Amino acid sequence: KAGVTQTPRYLIKTRGQQVTLSCSPISGHRSVSWYQQTPGQGLQFLFEYFSETQRNKGNFPGRFSGRQFSNSRSEMNVSTLELGDSALYLCASSLEGASGDGYTFGSGTRLTVV
Amino acid sequence: QKEVEQDPGPLSVPEGAIVSLNCTYSNSAFQYFMWYRQYSRKGPELLMYTYSSGNKEDGRFTAQVDKSSKYISLFIRDSQPSDSATYLCAMRRGSSASKIIFGSGTRLSIRP
Repeated sequence: KAGVTQTPRYLIKTRGQQVTLSCSPISGHRSVSWYQQTPGQGLQFLFEYFSETQRNKGNFPGRFSGRQFSNSRSEMNVSTLELGDSALYLCASSLEGASGDGYTFGSGTRLTVV
Repeated sequence: QKEVEQDPGPLSVPEGAIVSLNCTYSNSAFQYFMWYRQYSRKGPELLMYTYSSGNKEDGRFTAQVDKSSKYISLFIRDSQPSDSATYLCAMRRGSSASKIIFGSGTRLSIRP
């Protein structure tokens, strides 16, 4: 079965711009979580969506937002990009929530802000 | 202080050696413990999943959880060059709705 698909794989943006990243979960998975991964901070939780509702939120500024559609696909948006937003953004899907044995990651979108 | 602490390495060992990877944590509410492996340019993939204290073995991999010491370990026996990757510990509280918290990852290199 198809895994978690993230698009695009690579993105270069300029400071001040905004960006939208997309995640298609495994078919049947209703929970989608987003993480930011950087060499200095590791994997940091952004937010989780379950059945189109944000269920958990990490400690990121309001410039980071997300949403989930009725088909469970999710998007995250970052507005007014800063250099420090350069990172690998990972999406993970699961059936019901943050269940360790059902959490599947995509390959990520690598965002570079110049 | 981070909730989950993990030595970033890098750790380099010869092929065939036993590897020990460790994490400590501060939140005693964590009940589920995981180890993920991440190859370059890929997302993390689940290796081991353990509930509460004790040991769990899967092939060459053994996960240990000591809740009294707030310490978890992953042992890799007969290490192979293909085991070279970044290993991330992760944990969460009981609820399926609770978020997963990750360690910063240990970069492991197995020398042929």
